[in-house]
This record gives sequence, structure tokens and C-alpha cells, in this order.
Amino acid sequence: NAGVTQTPKFQVLKTGQSMTLQCAQDMNHEYMSWYRQDPGMGLRLIHYSVGAGITDQGEVPNGYNVSRSTTEDFPLRLLSAAPSQTSVYFCASSQDRGAYEQYFGPGTRLTVT
Amino acid sequence: GNSVTQMEGPVTLSEEAFLTINCTYTATGYPSLFWYVQYPGEGLQLLLKATKADDKGSNKGFEATYRKETTSFHLEKGSVQVSDSAVYFCALSDRGRDDKIIFGKGTRLHILP
Repeated sequence: NAGVTQTPKFQVLKTGQSMTLQCAQDMNHEYMSWYRQDPGMGLRLIHYSVGAGITDQGEVPNGYNVSRSTTEDFPLRLLSAAPSQTSVYFCASSQDRGAYEQYFGPGTRLTVT
Repeated sequence: GNSVTQMEGPVTLSEEAFLTINCTYTATGYPSLFWYVQYPGEGLQLLLKATKADDKGSNKGFEATYRKETTSFHLEKGSVQVSDSAVYFCALSDRGRDDKIIFGKGTRLHILP
């Protein structure tokens, strides 16, 4: 049972490039989410999904796209990278929203130059 | 809207000292409250939780009591160890609203040997 996995662990992009951050979980969780973590800002929700085929925006969705074609996978796409997207990105999954424990991946550290 | 406020860090203590990290919240419904911990280079992991007023969550020597009258969920430990050095996040999830989990900005804890 690998839990939540994320790839890559580190990435450097140039302004304007696009890329996809991968996230997968093997716990059959319905709820998955993406956060970004910036110094002094805590965690901010980017997008989330309550099940396959269903996604919704979080607090800071601009510049990011998601899709959820399977229960296991929840990729995050950066459409045209900007320096403001330099951050650490975490994927999380849980049995449901609300009072359930969220399981976090190890994170992807992204630098946009 | 819902919010979580926790004490700013960093907090620096000597080994075996008593720890308190303050957390207060604002919520319109009936939130569940959480403490998550992030060790260096890792994702967040659940430390403890409480789902109703007067509940006490506990784990690894840490405790927090859900105080509805003071809207607080302060984290305490009687004797900290060097291995407790990490960033601690207070969080809430409000079933009366949209069920999203909201994180505080985190408190960095340094324990000196």
C-alpha cells in the first residue's frame, strides 16, 4: 500500500512552459485535492474532486487545470507557468470530505524562472 | 467565512520543556478540528482530531481539547523531544457548510537538545 504518490519530486520550468504534476492513490479514496504551500501562507486549496468525473475549484484555481478520469489518479496541469507558481505542491486524498483524515503525498517542489 | 488562526512561529524550546501552540477558529456550523504535523521534506500527516465540543484528541504525547466556549483547540505536550521539531498546522472542516478543510498558516517548532 503506497498511499499517495506524487511525481516529479522536483521540477524547474521556464516562464510559459506547461507541465503536468502527477498524483495517484491506492486507497480507493473518493475525495482528492491539490494544495500549494508558500512561506507564511500555509496551505491553499487549488482544485478538488469528490469522485471520478467530478472536479471543482478551490481557493486559488487560476492557471491550473485538473481532471479525474479514474478514482486513482488526479493530475494537475499548469497551462503556462509563471514565477508566481513557484511553490511546493501537495496532493491529498481522503475517504470523504469533512471529518475524515486527509493523506498527503510527499510533495513536488516547483521553480519557475 | 470560516477561518483558523494559530500562533506565529518559530517557537524554540529546550528538550523536555512544556509545549503549547495556540489555535482559535471561526465557524458558522459544527466544525471538526484537526492538528496536522509536517516533518522536514515530507507531506502533512494527521496528528490528532476532535469532532465535537469537549472532545480531547491525543497522539504521541500531544493533546488538544475542543473548546466551543472559547473557540479554541490548543495543542499541548508535557515534555518535547528533538524529534518533535516540525511544522504544526491547525485545521477545521465544517459540516454545516461546504465541508472543505481550512488550514492555519502553520507554526514551526524547533527543539534544542
